[in-house]
Amino acid sequence: AQTVTQSQPEMSVQEAETVTLSCTYDTSESDYYLFWYKQPPSRQMILVIRQEAYKQQNATENRFSVNFQKAAKSFSLKISDSQLGDAAMYFCAYYSGAGSYQLTFGKGTKLSVIP
Amino acid sequence: DTGVSQNPRHKITKRGQNVTFRCDPISEHNRLYWYRQTLGQGPEFLTYFQNEAQLEKSRLLSDRFSAERPKGSFSTLEIQRTEQGDSAMYLCASSSLGRSTGAEAFFGQGTRLTVV
Repeated sequence: AQTVTQSQPEMSVQEAETVTLSCTYDTSESDYYLFWYKQPPSRQMILVIRQEAYKQQNATENRFSVNFQKAAKSFSLKISDSQLGDAAMYFCAYYSGAGSYQLTFGKGTKLSVIP
Repeated sequence: DTGVSQNPRHKITKRGQNVTFRCDPISEHNRLYWYRQTLGQGPEFLTYFQNEAQLEKSRLLSDRFSAERPKGSFSTLEIQRTEQGDSAMYLCASSSLGRSTGAEAFFGQGTRLTVV
């Protein structure tokens, strides 16, 4: 079974600085998708960024970028120029669509942004 | 259609009562998912529908839980004889068909269930 591990329960960053959130996963599949979702307090979960495993190029979305290391099964999220609105729970998630349609989530990292 | 809608947002019930939650997915989405999220944890998969067919169920989904998606539109999740351990946020998500687009799920705001 696939597992997703986020080893940092909490992180903090100064406003305008850069922070990196870590995620590792375990799978025997070769083709899959990885996601970072953001869940602000009492608000719905929204997709931040996605990465297809077959793509070597790391995904970027404005201030958000990933470092995808397929061999190491590592998928970290870098947030540049952190803003107060970035404060939230961040979840790493895995999807393969091969035999199962579920997203497998990590336990999350709570990110605080210090003004 | 502004996104996935879930009702009610909050539900407090006494142990042993039955509760039902509703999810209205994004209208063109064929896929619908239910997840459960407890405090300090990531969402855990419960069940998956493709149109009206329930194609996947987690072992977490005990026989007290039942989900339906009549006509492939909205979905309901019913919990019978609620227990305190059922207290959680119940999240609904939807996505389109296709392996690439289907992987990208859009979530509702959830229904927070408290069993007292």
